[in-house]
Amino acid sequence: NAGVTQTPKFQVLKTGQSMTLQCAQDMNHNSMYWYRQDPGMGLRLIYYSASEGTTDKGEVPNGYNVSRLNKREFSLRLESAAPSQTSVYFCASSEIGQGRRVSNQPQHFGDGTRLSIL
Amino acid sequence: DAKTTQPPSMDCAEGRAANLPCNHSTISGNEYVYWYRQIHSQGPQYIIHGLKNNETNEMASLIITEDRKSSTLILPHATLRDTAVYYCIVRVRGFGNEKLTFGTGTRLTIIP
Repeated sequence: NAGVTQTPKFQVLKTGQSMTLQCAQDMNHNSMYWYRQDPGMGLRLIYYSASEGTTDKGEVPNGYNVSRLNKREFSLRLESAAPSQTSVYFCASSEIGQGRRVSNQPQHFGDGTRLSIL
Repeated sequence: DAKTTQPPSMDCAEGRAANLPCNHSTISGNEYVYWYRQIHSQGPQYIIHGLKNNETNEMASLIITEDRKSSTLILPHATLRDTAVYYCIVRVRGFGNEKLTFGTGTRLTIIP
């Protein structure tokens, strides 16, 4: 079982370059998320997609765009990379619980993309 | 989402029970308590969650106080592989509202 797969695992960019981080899940989950984690800190939500065709901003969306390509895939794009975006990026997915008002399913995370911007 | 407070670090002897506390004094009635852990630089791993009753699964037990203002994660027989950062998170349940807010967690070190 692959779960949540992120590519690439490592990347080095120069300031101003663009890049797309890929995420795919094989658990048929409706919701997907992008987080970043800076050294010594917890994860911060960048964007999320509650279902196919919808995306919403999280806590730190500036400098990023996302695309929910289909139910399986959720990509994160840096249009013009900046050194402040050096971080580890995690993708996650979860299922919405049965019943319209029940949503307590855990999130499953990928192993991250380590991105350095020089 | 309610704010949580955890000790920054703890040690536990291998084979003993590890008890990780979490304070969430402003928790609301519709907020769940979740625990995740992050081993080294891997992605966070879900451990357990609960609303007001104690919960147990193959990984751990979760004890929530009657007033729900604090909880304890118990790893019954800690091993070296349990060395990780443990995050306590409270989250509102609701359709399409599944955002997690991570703090800095507790760094648990299992001592041989």
